[in-house]
Amino acid sequence: ETGVTQTPRHLVMGMTNKKSLKCEQHLGHNAMYWYKQSAKKPLELMFVYNFKEQTENNSVPSRFSPECPNSSHLFLHLHTLQPEDSALYLCASSQEDGANYGYTFGSGTRLTVV
Amino acid sequence: QKEVEQNSGPLSVPEGAIASLNCTYSDRGSQSFFWYRQYSGKSPELIMSIYSNGDKEDGRFTAQLNKASQYVSLLIRDSQPSDSATYLCAADGGATNKLIFGTGTLLAVQP
Repeated sequence: ETGVTQTPRHLVMGMTNKKSLKCEQHLGHNAMYWYKQSAKKPLELMFVYNFKEQTENNSVPSRFSPECPNSSHLFLHLHTLQPEDSALYLCASSQEDGANYGYTFGSGTRLTVV
Repeated sequence: QKEVEQNSGPLSVPEGAIASLNCTYSDRGSQSFFWYRQYSGKSPELIMSIYSNGDKEDGRFTAQLNKASQYVSLLIRDSQPSDSATYLCAADGGATNKLIFGTGTLLAVQP
């Protein structure tokens, strides 16, 4: 257990469905991140939140909608996804918004869009 | 575009040998460097961080940094089958101060 919990672990959804991914961190960190990991590609940064304010949206399509109600919780709302969105979605947190301390990752949600 | 480059492997080493994993980065402004281990189907786990030129040792792991050559490496001594995983190199993106990851090197330790 890393201190960053993601649910669900696996998700299969149709292209017309709406679903949400949840992330919760118990580390007292102030920054939270969503990453996408696809086969043979580097981890892709999607969104960054610092003290629950969004500080970065890395040109992510609007079918992905993040929400950060407080510094401990992060959601990723999904709707009308495409098959190419199938990937491992990782949540991470860090002490501050920045790379100096490294990030702690959750266990990820394996998403399959059918 | 800022990049972190790694050989995807697989790197195959016999049990007990030294595994050497290498990484280069493009942004001369990067100051913080990390190695993550990722087992198949699992999330990345931070195993080493390094900020200064030279070597940093932690148990069987040694990270090496050469900022002049923009080169980071990870040595694993006395490799064990349980070390078989993908190793991700990451560097801060300089001015952006976000972690940039390489594609990872798959290490296979043969019993």
